[in-house]
Amino acid sequence: AQSVTQLDSQVPVFEEAPVELRCNYSSSVSVYLFWYVQYPNQGLQLLLKYLSGSTLVKGINGFEAEFNKSQTSFHLRKPSVHISDTAEYFCAVSDRGTYKYIFGTGTRLKVLA
Amino acid sequence: EAGVAQSPRYKIIEKRQSVAFWCNPISGHATLYWYQQILGQGPKLLIQFQNNGVVDDSQLPKDRFSAERLKGVDSTLKIQPAKLEDSAVYLCASSPVLAGAYNEQFFGPGTRLTVL
Repeated sequence: AQSVTQLDSQVPVFEEAPVELRCNYSSSVSVYLFWYVQYPNQGLQLLLKYLSGSTLVKGINGFEAEFNKSQTSFHLRKPSVHISDTAEYFCAVSDRGTYKYIFGTGTRLKVLA
Repeated sequence: EAGVAQSPRYKIIEKRQSVAFWCNPISGHATLYWYQQILGQGPKLLIQFQNNGVVDDSQLPKDRFSAERLKGVDSTLKIQPAKLEDSAVYLCASSPVLAGAYNEQFFGPGTRLTVL
């Protein structure tokens, strides 16, 4: 069965520092990959998605992610974070065969002043 | 464009009581999803509708949970009777056109349920 692993439950980082949030998935078939952000007391919002083509995907708010098929990873990065980036980030995988979405357990990013 | 609407935003009930949540998706979105998000976990799909038909309800605890989407627009999720482990945020999402793995899902703000 498809699964998504976000190893880091919490990531504290100082403002203007770079950050990487890790995501690994398990699949023997082609997948679509997503990163969603959830601000406190709000629903999830799409940051970026990988469907095909270039393995480097750029999203909103200066985030980008790189698809690595050999390592089955889709890590999220930002070169310089802001206080407003403090939120929970979810990686999600959608199986091209079943169309089912599977979410990871989330990484809480806390940006410190 | 109005987003996905959910009500109520918060609900506190005692175990064995019943509760219902309402969702109004973005206008024109054919696909509607209900997720359960337990504290510290990612959203788990409960049920997916395509218009007013069920596409996937394999993870819906059918002995206590039920959902309907009459007329293919808004939807109601019901729990009867509630258990302590049902305490969670219930998220509704919708996506345009047909159900598809690549479709972005648009989420509502969720309903936070506390079962005492």
